[in-house]
Amino acid sequence: EVQLLESGGVVVQPGGSLRLSCAASGFTFDDYTMHWVRQAPGKGLEWVSLITWDGGSTYYADSLKGRFTISRDNNKNSLYLQMNSLRTEDTALYYCAKDANLGGHYFDYWGQGTLVTVSS
Amino acid sequence: DIQMTQSPSSVSASVGDRVTITCRASQGISSWLAWYQQKPGKAPKLLIYAASNLQSGVPSRFSGSGSGTDFTLTISSLQPEDFATYYCQQTNSFPYTFGQGTKLEIK
Repeated sequence: EVQLLESGGVVVQPGGSLRLSCAASGFTFDDYTMHWVRQAPGKGLEWVSLITWDGGSTYYADSLKGRFTISRDNNKNSLYLQMNSLRTEDTALYYCAKDANLGGHYFDYWGQGTLVTVSS
Repeated sequence: DIQMTQSPSSVSASVGDRVTITCRASQGISSWLAWYQQKPGKAPKLLIYAASNLQSGVPSRFSGSGSGTDFTLTISSLQPEDFATYYCQQTNSFPYTFGQGTKLEIK
C-alpha cells in the first residue's frame, strides 16, 4: 500500500525557515518524480514544486521566487521541502504527492498534509 | 502562466442527476489535463488524467472530454459520495496550475 507521511509543519514567524519532510513507502521511491502541493485554509490547490526521480531536475511555482528548495534522499525514501524567508501567504496545508507516471505529471497518491502557519 | 477557469464555482444537484463541470485554459494545453475530487478534510483524489482517461478504481460514471482549451468533467448519475469539490489541473507547462474549484452540493 502506498503511503506518504508528511511532517515538519509548525507555527513560524515571518522571515523564518522550515524544512518539511515526506516519508514514502509501498512503492519503489526512486522510480518516481515527486511533488509538493499546497492549500491555503479554505482555498484551492496550488502546485509548489517537482523533483525528478534522481533529483536531477527541479521546478517551482513562480510565486516562490527562489525561497523554497525541493530535494530527496532515495536511500531514505524521503522527500523534503526547505522553506526560507517565509511569508504570511505561505500559510497552508502542504501535501506531498507521488507522480502517477502516466505520461504527464499527474498525482495519483497524496499524503494527508502538514500544516504550516506563518504568523507573528 | 496558464490560467485555468472552472465553471460553475458551485452547483447544487440531486442524487441521480447528470452534472457537467467545465474547465477552460487561457492557452492551448493539448490533452494535458487532470481532474481531482476533494472531500472536506481529505487529500485530493485523481479521477481523470490526459483529459479523458479514467484513473484505475474510479467509477465509470465519471468521464472527461476536451482538448486544446476547453474541457469537461461529467458525472452521469450522481451518488451521495460524489458531493465534493472538483479541481482541474494543467500539466502542459510549468508552473502547473489548478482551476479554482467547483463545489458540488446536495440540492
